[in-house]
Amino acid sequence: QKEVEQDPGPLSVPEGAIVSLNCTYSNSAFQYFMWYRQYSRKGPELLMYTYSSGNKEDGRFTAQVDKSSKYISLFIRDSQPSDSATYLCAMSPSGGSNYKLTFGKGTLLTVNP
Amino acid sequence: DGGITQSPKYLFRKEGQNVTLSCEQNLNHDAMYWYRQDPGQGLRLIYYSQIVNDFQKGDIAEGYSVSREKKESFPLTVTSAQKNPTAFYLCASSMLVGRGQSEQFFGPGTRLTVL
Repeated sequence: QKEVEQDPGPLSVPEGAIVSLNCTYSNSAFQYFMWYRQYSRKGPELLMYTYSSGNKEDGRFTAQVDKSSKYISLFIRDSQPSDSATYLCAMSPSGGSNYKLTFGKGTLLTVNP
Repeated sequence: DGGITQSPKYLFRKEGQNVTLSCEQNLNHDAMYWYRQDPGQGLRLIYYSQIVNDFQKGDIAEGYSVSREKKESFPLTVTSAQKNPTAFYLCASSMLVGRGQSEQFFGPGTRLTVL
């Protein structure tokens, strides 16, 4: 079993839809959880950063972490064509190894106008 | 503007040549990282450095070398020993690990193609 699993998609939705992106993981030591957005041929951009379980909201984006299920989600409300990108989840353990991010392979999202 | 710059944006290499990719940051971050991204795969860590004059191998260091002579700079050399160097290379930086923050910020990337 891979440490981080992420459905590669592609996922295609109409403008204005609510998008749900998910990752599952197997390493119970993961404490820090991140979502990155990557446009084609660009570097990843940090969207959300959460520590341990719970929810975090930033504008149209909500990140959820359920450590009991080893499952994280990113919700995008009122999706826009500019949200079309690849979304990468990443996570790391606490302590001395928290530099080491483990990434999902990314989900390609297209929002159609 | 604070950020991470990588150069060049595109790089072509003949087989048997060494090439060096540049990465500079003005975020005053202590730690810097190099990743490789291949189609359909996640980012894989090549090397990282937490302080000047010190660096550690990541998961796929074979065929690569780095230096960290200045806090702002972390160049990556792709040597002729790297068997499959065509990829998208990403540099990242973060606050020092021991300060409890691990979110990493990425540069725009360098696309290396071996001819």
